[in-house]
Amino acid sequence: DGGITQSPKYLFRKEGQNVTLSCEQNLNHDAMYWYRQDPGQGLRLIYYSQIVNDFQKGDIAEGYSVSREKKESFPLTVTSAQKNPTAFYLCASSIGPGSKNIQYFGAGTRLSVL
Amino acid sequence: SQQGEEDPQALSIQEGENATMNCSYKTSINNLQWYRQNSGRGLVHLILIRSNEREKHSGRLRVTLDTSKKSSSLLITASRAADTASYFCATDPNQAGTALIFGKGTTLSVSS
Repeated sequence: DGGITQSPKYLFRKEGQNVTLSCEQNLNHDAMYWYRQDPGQGLRLIYYSQIVNDFQKGDIAEGYSVSREKKESFPLTVTSAQKNPTAFYLCASSIGPGSKNIQYFGAGTRLSVL
Repeated sequence: SQQGEEDPQALSIQEGENATMNCSYKTSINNLQWYRQNSGRGLVHLILIRSNEREKHSGRLRVTLDTSKKSSSLLITASRAADTASYFCATDPNQAGTALIFGKGTTLSVSS
């Protein structure tokens, strides 16, 4: 099955703890993205990567970090500097920028603070 | 920065009725896309319309684009209860190396 897989589905963070959300795709897509979604809100871009070993900050990168060591993987770390991490996190991938930049999404990870 | 603004924020209709959602944006675009999100799930791509297109159809979906007014509309005809979801427009800015920009969405509720 081709697709994009996020894990875990639910994650709980303790005060001062860093947590890492996993995102893996087997679509052979160059570009990958992380979004944050708060209740009743749209998607806000955290980080995106258009190619391996390169990534750019989105609109709300503070308190988050990413890596892109492999084409298939784009993990997101929510650091202790992110004071309000409770949200639904969505990972997406696309062939790449261009005239048909359609994004494919994972099922999401819901992060809560203990 | 959220470029797309959907209108209305919420829409409730009966099965069989048509649902129309609107999206406005601010800058020039390569294309505009509509996505659907069922509660607690990821987004699913519905339809893409390029900046040089004015109308596009896909099954019960009809999308229009007016680049002079920087606006788009999504029409779902003969709605079904299964169409209940949030719908988002996303613009692909006419700038190299930028990501899609999503609006805040319209929540559609179709009752049987």
